Amino acid sequence: EPEVTQTPSHQVTQMGQEVILRCVPISNHLYFYWYRQILGQKVEFLVSFYNNEISEKSEIFDDQFSVERPDGSNFTLKIRSTKLEDSAMYFCASCCRAQSYEQYFGPGTRLTVT
Amino acid sequence: SQQGEEDPQALSIQEGENATMNCSYKTSINNLQWYRQNSGRGLVHLILIRSNEREKHSGRLRVTLDTSKKSSSLLITASRAADTASYFCAPDKAAGNKLTFGGGTRVLVKP
Repeated sequence: EPEVTQTPSHQVTQMGQEVILRCVPISNHLYFYWYRQILGQKVEFLVSFYNNEISEKSEIFDDQFSVERPDGSNFTLKIRSTKLEDSAMYFCASCCRAQSYEQYFGPGTRLTVT
Repeated sequence: SQQGEEDPQALSIQEGENATMNCSYKTSINNLQWYRQNSGRGLVHLILIRSNEREKHSGRLRVTLDTSKKSSSLLITASRAADTASYFCAPDKAAGNKLTFGGGTRVLVKP
């Protein structure tokens, strides 16, 4: 069965550095998302992407964040200047085939900012 | 999208027993989805029930939906240790919408 993949599985970076988290969504899906989960907290929506543009973003998704789908298969999340509070699990998800609503999540990237 | 509220927050059962958890939401929906998250891992879609359905089965899972009460339940029958996870409901209005997750129900299945 097709699945969403994410790389790397764990990223350690220093405060102020840029990071790029990568995702390969399921190939015939139309919507792409990033969510994050700070340790012990809820899964929070960051941004959704449809038709090559952001369709919705949360308050968390400020100017330090950006998303791209550079080549029709990869979907990336860039954090320009990481802060300690960006430490979290970042999940990519994709959806939907025709007449379906299920979102398929990747295994996540654990980002640790030191 | 709207957030579902799961209840109870935590549930501890013996292997082989059934586990039931509930979800309440506030406004009308097109469908409601249930997801599972094993500790530190990504969410896994379990089952989707549409607003015109009242009950749906998938393997050991049974989901009910009562749109008049704006509530849903998830029943896991004959639980296994591998069912230990957090379970989340996601009320949904349209394809492509973001999902908004609550605190979930943490299920512990003891061997």
